[in-house]
Amino acid sequence: GAVVSQHPSWVICKSGTSVKIECRSLDFQATTMFWYRQFPKQSLMLMATSNEGSKATYEQGVEKDKFLINHASLTLSTLTVTSAHPEDSSFYICSARREVSYNEQFFGPGTRLTVL
Amino acid sequence: DQQVKQNSPSLSVQEGRISILNCDYTNSMFDYFLWYKKYPAEGPTFLISISSIKDKNEDGRFTVFLNKSAKHLSLHIVPSQPGDSAVYFCAAMFGNQFYFGTGTSLTVIP
Repeated sequence: GAVVSQHPSWVICKSGTSVKIECRSLDFQATTMFWYRQFPKQSLMLMATSNEGSKATYEQGVEKDKFLINHASLTLSTLTVTSAHPEDSSFYICSARREVSYNEQFFGPGTRLTVL
Repeated sequence: DQQVKQNSPSLSVQEGRISILNCDYTNSMFDYFLWYKKYPAEGPTFLISISSIKDKNEDGRFTVFLNKSAKHLSLHIVPSQPGDSAVYFCAAMFGNQFYFGTGTSLTVIP
C-alpha cells in the first residue's frame, strides 16, 4: 500500500509554455501533499505544502504565481509550471502523507522537466 | 541555512562490509528522523526512522543510531550489498516540516 504516482514521468516543452504535473495517492487519502524540486547533486528542496481544499503554503523564495499548486481532492494534487524557462528544468517530486502514519511521507517517482 | 547536513557526498564500500552514513542537524526541536534511499530519476523510498525518544532502531540490515547530545544520527547497513548502491537522504521532522540533508551517494563494490 501507500503508492504515489506522478504523471507525466518526463516532459519536454518549449520556453514560455505551461506544464502541469499530477500527483496521485493511489490507495490512500492524503490530506497533505508536498512538492519538491531536486537539482543535480543537491538535496531535495521543499517548494510547497498543499492541504486538500485550501491554498498551498509556499517556501521562501518559491514564486507562487509561477508554480501553481492545486489540491482539489484527497488523492490528487497538481503542480503547474507557468511560462516555463530553461532554468525551470529540474526533477520535480511529490509526496503524500497519510493520516494514520503522520510521520511518514510516501514519494512519487518524480517528473523530469526539460524546458528548451 | 542547511539545518540537516550530510558532510560526505559519497562513500564506497566493499560488498559484505558495513556502510555507515552520517547526518548532522542543528535544530534541537527536531523530534523525528528518517532515512530515504533514492535511485536516479526515481522518487525517494522510505528506509527506516527513529523517534527522538530512542537512540537506536533496527530493521533487518539497517540500523539507525541517534545521538541527541551531539545532534547526530547515522545509518548502518550490514552487510552491504551491490543493490544498496544509491543516494541516501536523511531527514528531520518538526511539526509539519521535513528538512532533508544533501544526500550521500553510496557505492557498494562487488
